[in-house]
Amino acid sequence: SQTIHQWPATLVQPVGSPLSLECTVEGTSNPNLYWYRQAAGRGLQLLFYSVGIGQISSEVPQNLSASRPQDRQFILSSKKLLLSDSGFYLCAWEPGTKGGYTFGSGTRLTVV
Amino acid sequence: AQSVSQHNHHVILSEAASLELGCNYSYGGTVNLFWYVQYPGQHLQLLLKYFSGDPLVKGIKGFEAEFIKSKFSFNLRKPSVQWSDTAEYFCAVKGSNYQLIWGAGTKLIIKP
Repeated sequence: SQTIHQWPATLVQPVGSPLSLECTVEGTSNPNLYWYRQAAGRGLQLLFYSVGIGQISSEVPQNLSASRPQDRQFILSSKKLLLSDSGFYLCAWEPGTKGGYTFGSGTRLTVV
Repeated sequence: AQSVSQHNHHVILSEAASLELGCNYSYGGTVNLFWYVQYPGQHLQLLLKYFSGDPLVKGIKGFEAEFIKSKFSFNLRKPSVQWSDTAEYFCAVKGSNYQLIWGAGTKLIIKP
C-alpha cells in the first residue's frame, strides 16, 4: 500500500537559518507531489507542485523553493527563514490527475 | 479565476442534530469535487469525492454530499452527528489543471 512520510513533525528555527523539509512517498511511482501551507482560518495555500522529477511549479512567489531529486521525494527549502515563514506545512501526493490527495502528517515550523 | 466558498467558518451543534455544510465554487468547466476532514491533532483525510455519475456521493463515517451543477454547489451532509465528528472540514475543487482550490474550512464543534 502507498504511504507518505513527512518529517520533522515540529521544527523551531532562528530567523535567517536555512530550512529543509522532506517528504517521501512509498508504494507508487510517478506521483504528483504537492507542498501546502495551512494557516488558521485561511485554509490551504498551494506552494509548489511537481508532476515529475525535476519539474517544479511555483504557485506563490516567496522565500521558499522546492526540489524533486527523485521520483518519490519532494523537498521544501529556504536559504534564510523569515518570521513570516512560520506555519504548518503539508506534503501531499496523488496518483495522477484524479483520485484525490493523500496528505502527510505535516510539519509545524516556528521561526524565532 | 476559480474559487471555493464555504459559508460558515464555525458551526456548533448538539449530538444527534443534522448537519449540512455549504460549499459553492466558481468554475465553468468540468470539476472534480472533494471534502476533506481534519480531526484535532491529526492530518487531513479524504472524506469523499465526486468525479462523475451519481451526484449523491457517500463517504466515510456516514457523510454524504450532493453535487448540484446548476447551483455550483457540493454541500456536505450527515443526518445525525456525533461528538467524534468535531473537526475542521474543507471543501476543494479541481478544474482543468493540477491545482486543487480550497475553501477556507469550517470548524464543526459537537456538544455532547
